[in-house]
Parts: sequence; structure tokens; C-alpha cells
Amino acid sequence: GENVEQHPSTLSVQEGDSAVIKCTYSDSASNYFPWYKQELGKRPQLIIDIRSNVGEKKDQRIAVTLNKTAKHFSLHITETQPEDSAVYFCAASPTSGYNKLIFGAGTRLAVHP
Amino acid sequence: DGGITQSPKYLFRKEGQNVTLSCEQNLNHDAMYWYRQDPGQGLRLIYYSQIVNDFQKGDIAEGYSVSREKKESFPLTVTSAQKNPTAFYLCASSPGANQPQHFGDGTRLSIL
Repeated sequence: GENVEQHPSTLSVQEGDSAVIKCTYSDSASNYFPWYKQELGKRPQLIIDIRSNVGEKKDQRIAVTLNKTAKHFSLHITETQPEDSAVYFCAASPTSGYNKLIFGAGTRLAVHP
Repeated sequence: DGGITQSPKYLFRKEGQNVTLSCEQNLNHDAMYWYRQDPGQGLRLIYYSQIVNDFQKGDIAEGYSVSREKKESFPLTVTSAQKNPTAFYLCASSPGANQPQHFGDGTRLSIL
């Protein structure tokens, strides 16, 4: 069935280091891949997204890369800051179900000062 | 995102009771969604609706029901058939296919 696997489940870095979170999807026809950040007890918020016709997208310290052949996409955060600490979710749009999203299990990122 | 309002913020359910969670959006989005989030877990899709008077089951629809009588409203009822309802419930909306989903602040449901 449709599935999105996300790794690692937890990630701990020092302030200023880079963080990379990776996701793999099963539906080769998926064409939309958003990333969400969720702080404790709050709503998930979209931080960046990418569509299948693009290989990379950047927004300040955040970038996402997509490898359609390998069916995986990654979130890169550079120069991490303590306020980047949160749970990050990747998602992919499957072909079954108009505008559905399948979410990964999440990565808990801790940035230590 | 002030465009999606969920209420109440906290809700307690008694044994055998049905409870309804409210979700209203003023973003003029066609699609709306309900997710369940358990502690330390990801988001699991309960129901979604692409248009008024139409909705589809998600991955964990058993014990839940929805309606979509108005474009801006998509209430979720947690029925007594849902034996483990304690979770954080998130409502979302989207303008269409391959567009971002915007989330409400959530409702935390607990058993009394």
C-alpha cells in the first residue's frame, strides 16, 4: 500500500550544525511533497514543499531535494538554531484519493546551544 | 493559521457518549480533512472531503462519522464505537490537488 518512511526518528545536533531528514515514498506517481514543523502541542505548519518537476528548492536555511528515480526526498536545515527544535513531518501525495497526503512518522529534532 | 478554527480546545467523553468536534474555515478551500495524532506519532487520516456533500474514508474511519453540508464546515463525530478515542485531533483544509494543507489548532479529546 501507500507508505512514507521517515528517518531518523530522533536527531540531536549542536547549534550551528546542519540537520538532514530523509523520507522514502512508495507510490512512484506521487508528485507533491510538503514538509511540516510541529512544536509541542501546536498545529503542524508548512515550512517548504516541492513538486515532482523540480529537483531542489531552497528557502533561506531550509532546502528540500527530490530524487524521483530512487523515490526519496530530504530536508536540509543549515546553521541550526535552538528554535528549530520541533518534530518535522514529511508527506507525499498518492495517486489514490484526490489531494490526500500520506505522512511520515516524524523526526524529533533537538538543537542544543 | 487563523483561517481554520477548531473547537473546543479540550473535550472529555464519557463512556457510551458520542461527541462532536467542530472545524470551520474561512479560506474558501474546497477540500477539508480530519487527522488523528497519538503521542509521539504521525498524522493518520480519518476522513476527507473534496467538495460539499461528499466525503471519503481515510485510513482509520471506524468509530468516526463526518458531514459536509457547507463548504466552510466539516464536523467530526467520535462515536461510542471508537473504543480508544483519546488523542489530538487536527482539522485541515486545502484549495485543491497538490496544494498545501493548512491546519487548525487541534482538539485534545480524553476519556472521563
